Amino acid sequence: GAGVSQTPSNKVTEKGKYVELRCDPISGHTALYWYRQSLGQGPEFLIYFQGTGAADDSGLPNDRFFAVRPEGSVSTLKIQRTERGDSAVYLCASSLGPNTEAFFGQGTRLTVV
Amino acid sequence: QKEVEQNSGPLSVPEGAIASLNCTYSDRGSQSFFWYRQYSGKSPELIMFIYSNGDKEDGRFTAQLNKASQYVSLLIRDSQPSDSATYLCAVDTNAGKSTFGDGTTLTVKP
Repeated sequence: GAGVSQTPSNKVTEKGKYVELRCDPISGHTALYWYRQSLGQGPEFLIYFQGTGAADDSGLPNDRFFAVRPEGSVSTLKIQRTERGDSAVYLCASSLGPNTEAFFGQGTRLTVV
Repeated sequence: QKEVEQNSGPLSVPEGAIASLNCTYSDRGSQSFFWYRQYSGKSPELIMFIYSNGDKEDGRFTAQLNKASQYVSLLIRDSQPSDSATYLCAVDTNAGKSTFGDGTTLTVKP
């Protein structure tokens, strides 16, 4: 595609529910990143994929968060037993590789009520 | 102490003036430095990157890097109202992930 595509753009869920957020990177980009951004703060790193493997998942806050990228393209961020504190904009970015220009999707605004 | 520090602002400059945005970082192993612009409600957009000490110019934007002082800055010349946004500094240690500051909000007044 022309850019990084994230779906849904908005998601409202009840506390305790499971959610999946999808990211479709720019074609040919091997690196894919997930970030989380709260109001008034910069993006907070969650996980980085190089190809199909998670090269760095040190930013995942706890074991309720999990991400996959099974074919090295589309990635899904999965959040179990959502909490109100998980409410944020979840940003996905992709790049040709580490240290190259990263392009961000428009984000998914997650609201846990 | 945050790994990447920026003044939150707001920074207000008149149209046509130079806006100066500053960022300091704590990891001396940092190799790549990025400036992103983020309009309200939108996602970050890369406007400059710099890898080597010194200045890098691109149109009205100049990025300056001083690794010894662990300092990177962004100058915007001839500021326009359309430059009003939050500017995010990001730092990469070559491990892949970028660490972001919390951004500086810039307002350019007509």
